Amino acid sequence: EDQVTQSPEALRLQEGESSSLNCSYTVSGLRGLFWYRQDPGKGPEFLFTLYSAGEEKEKERLKATLTKKESFLHITAPKPEDSATYLCAVRRSNFGNEKLTFGTGTRLTIIP
Amino acid sequence: DTGVSQDPRHKITKRGQNVTFRCDPISEHNRLYWYRQTLGQGPEFLTYFQNEAQLEKSRLLSDRFSAERPKGSFSTLEIQRTEQGDSAMYLCASSFGPPLGTDTQYFGPGTRLTVL
Repeated sequence: EDQVTQSPEALRLQEGESSSLNCSYTVSGLRGLFWYRQDPGKGPEFLFTLYSAGEEKEKERLKATLTKKESFLHITAPKPEDSATYLCAVRRSNFGNEKLTFGTGTRLTIIP
Repeated sequence: DTGVSQDPRHKITKRGQNVTFRCDPISEHNRLYWYRQTLGQGPEFLTYFQNEAQLEKSRLLSDRFSAERPKGSFSTLEIQRTEQGDSAMYLCASSFGPPLGTDTQYFGPGTRLTVL
């Protein structure tokens, strides 16, 4: 059974204070690790896909990295509008199995 | 790009009633997914369509749940004889599969179901 564990559950940062969110995963062959952002009462918004260990992707103040066991979402100099729940998900390698398995998310709060 | 749309956005029903939700995917996307999300949890996979064919179903999808995607366009998710445990956010996502697409799943705004 695929498993995704995210830590911490919640994180409060001052505006401008950089930090990292962790996503540890166990999957039978990885065919993509996905990061989404979710605002309260809304659907998840796609951020990044990572496919292989060593891969990195960046978007504005966010940078996602991947190893064989975990992924990190680094947030640099965050702003209050970065406050949201960040979800990590994995998809296994066998085609025909298209579901994403999600973690429970990290709730990020940026204090002005 | 109009994005994935879902209707209704909110539904309140009494236990034992039937409810139906609709999802309209991004127009060129051939794959459509349904997930369920409860408070404090990540989305949980329910089912997946490629065009009009339902190819994968979760064990979470009990006999009271049925999903269709006629003509490979919009999809409906019906819950019969609702129970209080069905209260959740029901999310729809769509993607454009390989080889021409990246197969990234884009989510709609969700339908919030409350069963009294």
